[in-house]
Amino acid sequence: NAGVTQTPKFRVLKTGQSMTLLCAQDMNHEYMYWYRQDPGMGLRLIHYSVGEGTTAKGEVPDGYNVSRLKKQNFLLGLESAAPSQTSVYFCASSYMDKLYGYTFGSGTRLTVV
Amino acid sequence: ELKVEQNPLFLSMQEGKNYTIYCNYSTTSDRLYWYRQDPGKSLESLFVLLSNGAVKQEGRLMASLDTKARLSTLHITAAVHDLSATYFCAVDRGGNQFYFGTGTSLTVIP
Repeated sequence: NAGVTQTPKFRVLKTGQSMTLLCAQDMNHEYMYWYRQDPGMGLRLIHYSVGEGTTAKGEVPDGYNVSRLKKQNFLLGLESAAPSQTSVYFCASSYMDKLYGYTFGSGTRLTVV
Repeated sequence: ELKVEQNPLFLSMQEGKNYTIYCNYSTTSDRLYWYRQDPGKSLESLFVLLSNGAVKQEGRLMASLDTKARLSTLHITAAVHDLSATYFCAVDRGGNQFYFGTGTSLTVIP
């Protein structure tokens, strides 16, 4: 019973490099989300998806792209990393009715130098 | 845009004492969630409050929701060191996302 799995857990990028963060859930959740967490700012929504093949922008989408080709996977891409993207990234998923709230992944700590 | 404010932001309390964390939000919502985060870890669900007057209790923690006052409280009874963590509230106003508070960092001192 894995829940929500994020890879990688840690990554250091140079400015301008690209990378993809992978989120996989095995709970048959319809909704998936990508948040970033920065000190003193809580969690801010980057992008989300309400179903396979659909994505939408959240509060802070600039510099990120996402894809949800399969219901269980939600990918977050950084095309050209910037130091301002240094953060901890959390993936989460939920049922459509959100009666049980979100289930979070373990997080990815990304440093852009 | 929905604003979610938690206070205090930082809380240091002695073991055995009681305290309350407050979560205020700016627009109408009937659902509120509490999460716990240990340092360097993910967020763990604590309570799901789905209606006005909802009260949930688990061990030394009790959460309540007053939708008319747009306020939720997380009450800690007889704190122990294991409760040291950051606590987040999150509000669902019926759209496609939750809105999170900035968190309350709790330290319980022996």
